[in-house]
Amino acid sequence: NAGVTQTPKFQVLKTGQSMTLQCAQDMNHNSMYWYRQDPGMGLRLIYYSASEGTTDKGEVPNGYNVSRLNKREFSLRLESAAPSQTSVYFCASLSLTGGYEQYFGPGTRLTVT
Amino acid sequence: GDSVTQMEGPVTLSEEAFLTINCTYTATGYPSLFWYVQYPGEGLQLLLKATKADDKGSNKGFEATYRKETTSFHLEKGSVQVSDSAVYFCALSGRSGTYKYIFGTGTRLKVLA
Repeated sequence: NAGVTQTPKFQVLKTGQSMTLQCAQDMNHNSMYWYRQDPGMGLRLIYYSASEGTTDKGEVPNGYNVSRLNKREFSLRLESAAPSQTSVYFCASLSLTGGYEQYFGPGTRLTVT
Repeated sequence: GDSVTQMEGPVTLSEEAFLTINCTYTATGYPSLFWYVQYPGEGLQLLLKATKADDKGSNKGFEATYRKETTSFHLEKGSVQVSDSAVYFCALSGRSGTYKYIFGTGTRLKVLA
């Protein structure tokens, strides 16, 4: 059981380049989330998808777009990367059984130069 | 809005010392409360959770009690090990709607042999 997988694990971009971070879960969860983690700031929600076909902004959505491709996959796109988007990005999915636990992927470390 | 406040780190302890990491929250309604742990280079893993007042979550020797009267969910362990060195995050989630998490900023724990 793979859980939540993310690709790539590491990425270096130049300012202005675009890229898509991929996330997939095999737990049949409806809700999925994208976070960024910055030193001293914990995790901040970028976008989430409560169910297939729906997406909503979180706390820090500017500069990002998302696509909920199907129930399994939720991608995050940076159209024109900026140094302020240097961060570690985590994808998560939500289990509604047993207390609403989120399951996290291993993260993507992105550096924008 | 909802918020989570946890003690600043880093916390440095000797092996077998007693650990407390404070976490307080502000929320409307009755959120679920969580402690997540992040080991170096990895994603977040659920450590323990509590879904209603006076519940005690426990796992791997760690405990936390959901205290509604003091709006707190402090993490404790009686005897820490070097392997407990990690970053610990307190989080809350509503129990309806989007189940978005609010995270604290994280507390880094270093245990010395």
